[in-house]
Amino acid sequence: DTGVSQNPRHKITKRGQNVTFRCDPISEHNRLYWYRQTLGQGPEFLTYFQNEAQLEKSRLLSDRFSAERPKGSFSTLEIQRTEQGDSAMYLCASSPYVQGASLSTEAFFGQGTRLTVV
Amino acid sequence: AQSVTQLDSQVPVFEEAPVELRCNYSSSVSVYLFWYVQYPNQGLQLLLKYLSGSTLVKGINGFEAEFNKSQTSFHLRKPSVHISDTAEYFCAVSYGNKLVFGAGTILRVKS
Repeated sequence: DTGVSQNPRHKITKRGQNVTFRCDPISEHNRLYWYRQTLGQGPEFLTYFQNEAQLEKSRLLSDRFSAERPKGSFSTLEIQRTEQGDSAMYLCASSPYVQGASLSTEAFFGQGTRLTVV
Repeated sequence: AQSVTQLDSQVPVFEEAPVELRCNYSSSVSVYLFWYVQYPNQGLQLLLKYLSGSTLVKGINGFEAEFNKSQTSFHLRKPSVHISDTAEYFCAVSYGNKLVFGAGTILRVKS
């Protein structure tokens, strides 16, 4: 296992189309996170899963966004009816869960999927 | 809510010179602090983290950072930079089960 894998690396889509991104975390990590990074900004939290349960969602995650993690392995992030404002880098990260700790352990990031909506 | 301020958007520096990238955070509770580096078109790589204990934390690639609770700062330093250190650096603080990032500082190392 070489790390967190995200596909595709780049996606160009027309406004109004639906897109789906995939993230494969490090195999023994049971926590998985999605972040969005726009130009000139740091990553912003979107949502996270512990195993297959989606435990927290940011207000940034509008109803056009949906994330799943079936069977607690890979995760998908779908954006419906894309808008130009959705253009960003979408980053996935994973970490092991340590009982009694919040985020004291390192989160490993993938290389991201760059979405361009034209 | 937590927030992170990186005071410099860009820092130019000559090769082999020392550098300091500044980070201040707002928090009323104990926090975990992180510095990540991002090379062009890449994801984030952890440089170092502060969880507890010694306030001077050493990381990879010769970087270190000092946690200062009274000043709510976590500045990143390197005594001698290389061209290969050119990248964007992000300071982050834990907030519940997620990270809150600063806007980033682009370090440009010139020969």
